[in-house]
Amino acid sequence: TQLLEQSPQFLSIQEGENLTVYCNSSSVFSSLQWYRQEPGEGPVLLVTVVTGGEVKKLKRLTFQFGDARKDSSLHITAAQPGDTGLYLCAGDTGTASKLTFGTGTRLQVTL
Amino acid sequence: GAVVSQHPSRVICKSGTSVKIECRSLDFQATTMFWYRQFPKKSLMLMATSNEGSKATYEQGVEKDKFLINHASLTLSTLTVTSAHPEDSSFYICSAESGTRLGYEQYFGPGTRLTVT
Repeated sequence: TQLLEQSPQFLSIQEGENLTVYCNSSSVFSSLQWYRQEPGEGPVLLVTVVTGGEVKKLKRLTFQFGDARKDSSLHITAAQPGDTGLYLCAGDTGTASKLTFGTGTRLQVTL
Repeated sequence: GAVVSQHPSRVICKSGTSVKIECRSLDFQATTMFWYRQFPKKSLMLMATSNEGSKATYEQGVEKDKFLINHASLTLSTLTVTSAHPEDSSFYICSAESGTRLGYEQYFGPGTRLTVT
């Protein structure tokens, strides 16, 4: 069973602070996706990374895929209350097109 | 693009009855759709993979006779929770797979909250 462990599980910070969320596994993934989910809604795809060492930026969010394609990180600069939500990483092993979801990181940004 | 809808968004049913949840890809065709279950403050748990025109593939521990999946067209998959019990109460989310230049990405519906009384 492939496991994707996310850390931290929960993070409460004030507006303007920076943070990093980690997604780690012992398995190699052909691609890895990050989602953000708000309460009572489905996850929304933020980014897909496919190349080892790849870095993608989405405004204040920076995503990195590990060189060995086993881990990833999400860095948020100057967090805002609108960033509050559950962040999920999900890995695709390249077979059967199933995604393995991470354990999730719940972010709360307060004023 | 890549919009997925679910219906209903919320449903309350009595124990012993059956409930059908629909998942539609609105602006693309999806050969493959997925059904997930999510418990409060937890991550998504894959229940089954729904393949258009063929039988669904269920994950270990998921009862196929209790959670009936039908994927009759390239834009619609349904999940029927049969003989529902209170422990089936949960947030059910579907996703539809869309091919992109990066490979296949999943786009999620808004979820259905099922409460069994």
